[in-house]
Amino acid sequence: DTAVSQTPKYLVTQMGNDKSIKCEQNLGHDTMYWYKQDSKKFLKIMFSYNNKELIINETVPNRFSPKSPDKAHLNLHINSLELGDSAVYFCASSQGFGGTQPQHFGDGTRLSIL
Amino acid sequence: DQQVKQNSPSLSVQEGRISILNCDYTNSMFDYFLWYKKYPAEGPTFLISISSIKDKNEDGRFTVFLNKSAKHLSLHIVPSQPGDSAVYFCAASHTNSGYALNFGKGTSLLVTP
Repeated sequence: DTAVSQTPKYLVTQMGNDKSIKCEQNLGHDTMYWYKQDSKKFLKIMFSYNNKELIINETVPNRFSPKSPDKAHLNLHINSLELGDSAVYFCASSQGFGGTQPQHFGDGTRLSIL
Repeated sequence: DQQVKQNSPSLSVQEGRISILNCDYTNSMFDYFLWYKKYPAEGPTFLISISSIKDKNEDGRFTVFLNKSAKHLSLHIVPSQPGDSAVYFCAASHTNSGYALNFGKGTSLLVTP
């Protein structure tokens, strides 16, 4: 009964391909996030959704498109993958937006671009 | 630009002693601070947090101290246990950022028996 689950855990693909990462949370939270951890281990926010509405969209190439079909899911689709997209992508969720509830993270998806 | 800094990439402490992990921040608008613990191949796990209206928060063996004038916070673990060995991330957020977390680069703590 994993709280925040991401699939796949590992993703190896070639440059130029399009891929998706799925995230689901069973905590009943209404806010979900995507973070990217680069090769320097630096975790950085990419997107945030509250009640399926996009709240935060950091400076991320528009090849990255988040989609939230419902409050429990936030998927990340990446078009035309580039070498620099290789990283670990973490999904997270929290209850409430603008509050002080801690975010709960999934175990990450390690994306490797060949 | 990195707004949350953890200047010690690693720390080694003997079991039973105190571990002190430090964190500095540059954005004075941050009003909520958290510490996360991360094991390899897992996501960060929330450990403890503190609001900017407080200067100390304690939870069992873990205590977080906040010095707003110095823009500095620290995590104390007493007594340290081998199971505490992990990477510890400091994070900060503020209302205007939608409470998205700004992370430091982490400090790898090793607790030796």
